[in-house]
Amino acid sequence: DSGVTQTPKHLITATGQRVTLRCSPRSGDLSVYWYQQSLDQGLQFLIQYYNGEERAKGNILERFSAQQFPDLHSELNLSSLELGDSALYFCASSPDGRAFGGYTFGSGTRLTVV
Amino acid sequence: AQSVTQPDIHITVSEGASLELRCNYSYGATPYLFWYVQSPGQGLQLLLKYFSGDTLVQGIKGFEAEFKRSQSSFNLRKPSVHWSDAAEYFCAVGGGSGNTPLVFGKGTRLSVIA
Repeated sequence: DSGVTQTPKHLITATGQRVTLRCSPRSGDLSVYWYQQSLDQGLQFLIQYYNGEERAKGNILERFSAQQFPDLHSELNLSSLELGDSALYFCASSPDGRAFGGYTFGSGTRLTVV
Repeated sequence: AQSVTQPDIHITVSEGASLELRCNYSYGATPYLFWYVQSPGQGLQLLLKYFSGDTLVQGIKGFEAEFKRSQSSFNLRKPSVHWSDAAEYFCAVGGGSGNTPLVFGKGTRLSVIA
């Protein structure tokens, strides 16, 4: 157990729908990162939050949004889902928003859009 | 912007044989580098990291990696592979003050045969 908790582990939904993925960072970590893993693109950085504020944004679609709450858990919202959004979504955390020590990853949420 | 190339998509080695996984990075200044391992159905686990000092870095599970600035490489090695090492391996790069999210390579899948 890495200490980063992601729910749900699996999600199957239809095109056009909206889903919410949840992440609780490791205890004491202030920063959360979201990555999308697909077979053709590999691990792509989506967005980072630090202590409730957006810190960095990557290749995140406008249909996707995220936030980090006062208790530091984070949610990634995916809307108007398309078949191509099917992927493994990882959350990672770090203590201070810097990458020197590396990130701690959760076990991911596998999203299947049908 | 930083980038990572893992030239080998899939490698097969015999149990007990030595292993080297290649990683080439692109970054204008001194990078900090990581190797992660992902077992099926699991998240990414940090194997080792480099950001300064000795260019030969020791990690968990008997792995080591060597940073070679002249070759922009950070290859992962293990002298004797075990069947349990079969997994996907990812190299990642970061830089600067550590605020830039890590960029990952597309991964190398390792198969181990008897």
